[in-house]
Amino acid sequence: GAVVSQHPSWVICKSGTSVKIECRSLDFQATTMFWYRQFPKQSLMLMATSNEGSKATYEQGVEKDKFLINHASLTLSTLTVTSAHPEDSSFYICSSPSGRVTDTQYFGPGTRLTVL
Amino acid sequence: DAKTTQPTSMDCAEGRAANLPCNHSTISGNEYVYWYRQIHSQGPQYIIHGLKNNETNEMASLIITEDRKSSTLILPHATLRDTAVYYCIVRVGGGNQGGKLIFGQGTELSVKP
Repeated sequence: GAVVSQHPSWVICKSGTSVKIECRSLDFQATTMFWYRQFPKQSLMLMATSNEGSKATYEQGVEKDKFLINHASLTLSTLTVTSAHPEDSSFYICSSPSGRVTDTQYFGPGTRLTVL
Repeated sequence: DAKTTQPTSMDCAEGRAANLPCNHSTISGNEYVYWYRQIHSQGPQYIIHGLKNNETNEMASLIITEDRKSSTLILPHATLRDTAVYYCIVRVGGGNQGGKLIFGQGTELSVKP
């Protein structure tokens, strides 16, 4: 099946620094990618929709200047957490519809961010 | 998108069928029922989806009531590796692009030896 990868799988950073997370579609072109955040013991929360070649669409309550999304190619979307703080520590997951199997989405393995 | 209601947790004995219910009483005519699962600290995995007919694949079966207000995901022979949180999601579908998924709290299924 379609594969979505994320890099890094985990990252630890100091408060105030910025962290970039990559999401790649390995065997299909992804014109759309979704970014989710998941806190411990909670469900996935959709943050934004990333569209290749255009601006991302953010869900209500998600700060677009803090969570920068870039989707410059059909296989790569990046999420940058700017000026990270401990409350940004979370599990970040991306997904993309593959377009080959009708109406399913494929999720990356997730990135565990810990901000000290 | 319509909301869904699932039990918070369920247990199932290994080798037995796991039946996970989902209520979606406000589902619209063009909304599909999707099931995903998430094993601890991994990304969610697609299981199955359907509109109104029952569906079966190599992973599970999906039974949708005639009025479409509820559905049941059936894992016919649960194994320990099926321990996960199972999410029932309803949304407009039918195309190749696939829209965004809004996750509820899901059901935490524990398969026990």
